[in-house]
Amino acid sequence: SQKIEQNSEALNIQEGKTATLTCNYTNYSPAYLQWYRQDPGRGPVFLLLIRENEKEKRKERLKVTFDTTLKQSLFHITASQPADSATYLCAQNSNSGYALNFGKGTSLLVTP
Amino acid sequence: DTAVSQTPKYLVTQMGNDKSIKCEQNLGHDTMYWYKQDSKKFLKIMFSYNNKELIINETVPNRFSPKSPDKAHLNLHINSLELGDSAVYFCASSQDTASETQYFGPGTRLLVL
Repeated sequence: SQKIEQNSEALNIQEGKTATLTCNYTNYSPAYLQWYRQDPGRGPVFLLLIRENEKEKRKERLKVTFDTTLKQSLFHITASQPADSATYLCAQNSNSGYALNFGKGTSLLVTP
Repeated sequence: DTAVSQTPKYLVTQMGNDKSIKCEQNLGHDTMYWYKQDSKKFLKIMFSYNNKELIINETVPNRFSPKSPDKAHLNLHINSLELGDSAVYFCASSQDTASETQYFGPGTRLLVL
């Protein structure tokens, strides 16, 4: 069955540094990967989507890469700020195509 | 204006009771979803509806029955609640089944005692 893993449960970094979060998938080649942000007590919010034929996507301080050989996506936040502290979820399209399979998320803490 | 809204926000109830959670989206989307997020924060798809028709049912116990009276609403009714049903339930919507991006509601925190 499809499996999507975010190996780091938590990541602590200092303000101004680049945060790098990892998402790995197995048993399935997704057409795309998405990254969502979830704050405590709230629903996930869409950030970026990258397709299998794209190597990199950027949006302001965010960058996502997709390596189909390594079966991995990396999510970068440059010049991180305390306001970036949240849980970041990686998601792939399910093999039915109609829903998302989410990883468990990585909790990012940016300290001043 | 809230794009995807859910009621109630919190629900505390006894084992064996029946309860409903409501979801409404004002985005004009055709497809709606219910996800369950357990205590380990793992978000898992339960159901999906497209234009009021059920298209996904992910091996959820039949105590859970979704209902879509129109494409802007997707409700979740749960019979004979069990302790293991305690979780946060998220409603989401997307433009249609081909759309990748989903918009989530704020969640309903269900606690079964």
